[in-house]
Amino acid sequence: GESVGLHLPTLSVQEGDNSIINCAYSNSASDYFIWYKQESGKGPQFIIDIRSNMDKRQGQRVTVLLNKTVKHLSLQIAATQPGDSAVYFCAEISPFNQAGTALIFGKGTTLSVSS
Amino acid sequence: DTEVTQTPKHLVMGMTNKKSLKCEQHMGHRAMYWYKQKAKKPPELMFVYSYEKLSINESVPSRFSPECPNSSLLNLHLHALQPEDSALYLCASSRLGQNQPQHFGDGTRLSIL
Repeated sequence: GESVGLHLPTLSVQEGDNSIINCAYSNSASDYFIWYKQESGKGPQFIIDIRSNMDKRQGQRVTVLLNKTVKHLSLQIAATQPGDSAVYFCAEISPFNQAGTALIFGKGTTLSVSS
Repeated sequence: DTEVTQTPKHLVMGMTNKKSLKCEQHMGHRAMYWYKQKAKKPPELMFVYSYEKLSINESVPSRFSPECPNSSLLNLHLHALQPEDSALYLCASSRLGQNQPQHFGDGTRLSIL
């Protein structure tokens, strides 16, 4: 079936560097995407979302880019800090009916930040 | 702190036990979800409730029985589980309608002996 996936399972960066985490999706009908951060022992935490009518969205130190032509999503983290170390998942919303939606998660990228 | 609260945080049970996982949210969300997450894997959807009614059952075995007593609470009743059911069980909630982010609790770490 169609799914959302990530390019790299792990990413190691130095504190202060910018991080880029990538995700490829296969369902061209998808129109909403979310990035989640999951720290050890915690549940996924919402970071930022983007709708398909946008190419870019910025938050605090994070930017999500969406390229619908190649079905690619990326999360950029500026000035990466040790507290950013976690597993990052992209997720695609699959609307199943008017009553709600189902999340399809990518495989995840583990970000390790060294100081 | 998460706005979705799950209890207990950890649970160890035998294969013949009956236990329940609980989830509570007070954000006024009318959609609630159960996910299962194995180590180093993404969460996988189990059940979806909307307006306190079961909307989706992702072919989950009957030894998992969800219940939504009211709009703020979601339970997952467990009976006769298998060792492979050991995992992190996550609850989430969202507003209804398309393009609504889901907000997760920190999960219950379940171990089946």
